[in-house]
Amino acid sequence: AQKITQTQPGMFVQEKEAVTLDCTYDTSDPSYGLFWYKQPSSGEMIFLIYQGSYDQQNATEGRYSLNFQKARKSANLVISASQLGDSAMYFCAMREGPNYGGSQGNLIFGKGTKLSVKP
Amino acid sequence: DGGITQSPKYLFRKEGQNVTLSCEQNLNHDAMYWYRQDPGQGLRLIYYSQIVNDFQKGDIAEGYSVSREKKESFPLTVTSAQKNPTAFYLCASSKRDEAGKLFFGSGTQLSVL
Repeated sequence: AQKITQTQPGMFVQEKEAVTLDCTYDTSDPSYGLFWYKQPSSGEMIFLIYQGSYDQQNATEGRYSLNFQKARKSANLVISASQLGDSAMYFCAMREGPNYGGSQGNLIFGKGTKLSVKP
Repeated sequence: DGGITQSPKYLFRKEGQNVTLSCEQNLNHDAMYWYRQDPGQGLRLIYYSQIVNDFQKGDIAEGYSVSREKKESFPLTVTSAQKNPTAFYLCASSKRDEAGKLFFGSGTQLSVL
């Protein structure tokens, strides 16, 4: 079974509108972290936002927010006021285990959602 | 400016040849990683290292080798044993206590001639 599922291969959004990118995850570990990365056409992956499994509030970073619904095991990314530069692939990822030590490098990535922003 | 430098940007491998991808970071990060990305797929972990002279296999280590002789450098060798090496390779680093918050290089596209 997939541990990270992104069901939207592609999305379109009008410039200046908000968009939600879906992500569901599967883990039995009580301690985990959820991440979103952006990959523009240049290829470099850019960290956007992080949510820890014990965090009480949804994470926010500028125009990005993470809608964390623990019981439903979902971690959707919300981008407000879309800009043309937001056009990119977006990947949801999960780290199982605490934030230190262990196999900290082993992020599990979804297959991504391609977001296209229309002018 | 601090960051991660990968080279070359494009690399071609002949049958039976070993090739080495370079990754250098000046962020003073302890941990470094190599990921492979195939078209339409997410990233898969090849190897990672949390400290100099130590590294661990990821999910798809077969056919690859690494070394970590210096904190700043984590080269990846794609050996002839890797039968399907065509992919986009990304190197990343992170602070020891911020697992998952990765800083990435701009990648190397490896193709087979």
